[in-house]
Amino acid sequence: EAGVAQSPRYKIIEKRQSVAFWCNPISGHATLYWYQQILGQGPKLLIQFQNNGVVDDSQLPKDRFSAERLKGVDSTLKIQPAKLEDSAVYLCASSLGVSTGDYEQYFGPGTRLTVT
Amino acid sequence: GQNIDQPTEMTATEGAIVQINCTYQTSGFNGLFWYQQHAGEAPTFLSYNVLDGLEEKGRFSSFLSRSKGYSYLLLKELQMKDSASYLCAVRGDSWGKLQFGAGTQVVVTP
Repeated sequence: EAGVAQSPRYKIIEKRQSVAFWCNPISGHATLYWYQQILGQGPKLLIQFQNNGVVDDSQLPKDRFSAERLKGVDSTLKIQPAKLEDSAVYLCASSLGVSTGDYEQYFGPGTRLTVT
Repeated sequence: GQNIDQPTEMTATEGAIVQINCTYQTSGFNGLFWYQQHAGEAPTFLSYNVLDGLEEKGRFSSFLSRSKGYSYLLLKELQMKDSASYLCAVRGDSWGKLQFGAGTQVVVTP
């Protein structure tokens, strides 16, 4: 079974530039999560999708971050414009979903973003 | 809101046992997870507790006391490959959202 795919793996941009990350979850997983993990900290949930609907985006800085999952499968996370404090690893995870009662989350390899 | 506390770092010798404690304060509780994360890699699932008691899975065991807001992860017969960060995470609501602690870095020495 293929795991969660993410691209790119690494990205270096200057502050005020834009960047986008892509995630393809495990086939059949209804729930998709984007996390931000700053060095030395645990992952922080940015946004959670159930199919193509947003369940929780309470910690997403909506003035600069946006995310979509238009067809309920893959997803993109965008930052525009980036700030120095956005330097982190962006992890995508997926799970079968609430309706199945299976909450185990499977994580992708992450995208390491460096903002200079 | 939720607060999850775990030690920053622990060091142990190969073959020994290490216990990583996690305390939490949450407005709701729907399960506690432990994940392992090697440097530069994604977290991988280790264990899940929703009822009080001990769950054993090979060399790894996890314990939960809901009344005390407390869990621990026990790693037995430590191997060098167990050197990693161990993340405690609590699901506070029914939507699967996890709140993670900062992680405990376990260093296994020869």
